[in-house]
Amino acid sequence: SQQGEEDPQALSIQEGENATMNCSYKTSINNLQWYRQNSGRGLVHLILIRSNEREKHSGRLRVTLDTSKKSSSLLITASRAADTASYFCATGNTGFQKLVFGTGTRLLVSP
Amino acid sequence: EAGVAQSPRYKIIEKRQSVAFWCNPISGHATLYWYQQILGQGPKLLIQFQNNGVVDDSQLPKDRFSAERLKGVDSTLKIQPAKLEDSAVYLCASSLGQGIGNTIYFGEGSWLTVV
Repeated sequence: SQQGEEDPQALSIQEGENATMNCSYKTSINNLQWYRQNSGRGLVHLILIRSNEREKHSGRLRVTLDTSKKSSSLLITASRAADTASYFCATGNTGFQKLVFGTGTRLLVSP
Repeated sequence: EAGVAQSPRYKIIEKRQSVAFWCNPISGHATLYWYQQILGQGPKLLIQFQNNGVVDDSQLPKDRFSAERLKGVDSTLKIQPAKLEDSAVYLCASSLGQGIGNTIYFGEGSWLTVV
């Protein structure tokens, strides 16, 4: 079963605006990862945040993790048309030793 | 560095026929995964190999799906007989190790349509 659930399911913004996607999960985790999937392509790893971290940055990406609320957010600043893709969170738990992917947020960035 | 290679990219078959997908992981990656991604959903793990041993196949429909990684490198995923609900993208992926802290590298996927 899928653990993470992204919100919103779809997001449409203009170039230059910021995009925020949220991920909620159900059980305790060791880390949480975000992946991007362009239409018709495989998934590409974006960033990993460990359960003892609260915030992480990578270029225009900012990820936060709130383990008390079992949620994470992905912020893409100054979005570009090339950011148009689906974004998935994936949670890792040492008990299961496997990543479980969420349902994804489809982001459309219009020029 | 070459990525994860998959073939064929697209396949259309009739229900009850069989199909096989092939995957070549990134060189040196011990862990290999097969995921199923139905349109509009996230990837679901079917099977995970560590070298040529199976680590997790709890969500693999074993009555019709089989997978092998005989020499600990390439892998094949077979579906026989196929059902309409097997229409999906089959993603192969690999990682250096099997821990959940490892980055997983995905191939482009094999798109299956069962008619």
